[in-house]
Amino acid sequence: QSALTQPASVSGSPGQSITISCTGTSSDVGSYNLVSWYQQHPGKAPKLMIYEVSKRPSGVSNRFSGSKSGNTASLTISGLQAEDEADYYCCSYAGSLAVFGGGTQLTVL
Amino acid sequence: QLQLQESGPGLVKPSETLSLTCTVSGGSISSSSYYWGWIRQPPGKGLEWIGSIYYSGSTYYNPSLKSRVTISVDTSKNQFSLKLSSVTAADTAVYYCARLGDTAMVGAFDIWGQGTMVTVSS
Repeated sequence: QSALTQPASVSGSPGQSITISCTGTSSDVGSYNLVSWYQQHPGKAPKLMIYEVSKRPSGVSNRFSGSKSGNTASLTISGLQAEDEADYYCCSYAGSLAVFGGGTQLTVL
Repeated sequence: QLQLQESGPGLVKPSETLSLTCTVSGGSISSSSYYWGWIRQPPGKGLEWIGSIYYSGSTYYNPSLKSRVTISVDTSKNQFSLKLSSVTAADTAVYYCARLGDTAMVGAFDIWGQGTMVTVSS
């Protein structure tokens, strides 16, 4: 069970859109539509942003969207805002086992 | 509103056993819709799933930690617990407990505790 692969960092200007990728294998991301995404600000607990690949929990802005193609899931944030600057983690739930990605630091320029 | 709170020693000696408890308030740990999990985060690093438990006692563990981990549940106290044996400095981390969806928000950790820092040092 290896960690999912995410880019270490991404950046964008306010108002722009960015996409964070999360690559797994045919045993996890590729086999189950159970990918979730978390936002973590420094010193805070992670917050669920996307579940089951593309669903948003109540209260999460519709600027956040998720998708999946093959073994790679993606998180897109549109209309970037300063408050979006944080670390983002993907997670795949496969066969009752969970595996996280290494995390991506988002910088809003 | 459901809340989770971790508790336990902040300092553990090498080779000893780390023990943490997560208290669930504002809801029942015996809900059939959820599992309960432990996740950790070493300083400056990413998240690592440790394991999950159902109120009935069914458990799933990270294969890389399975030989050292035990997760248990006490429904009478609305708590679940983590024990990690033979700890080393590599186990130094913030430990989070979280609710894990089983029939709703499947496979997602939707509610998290604030986390507790555990340092392994003599």
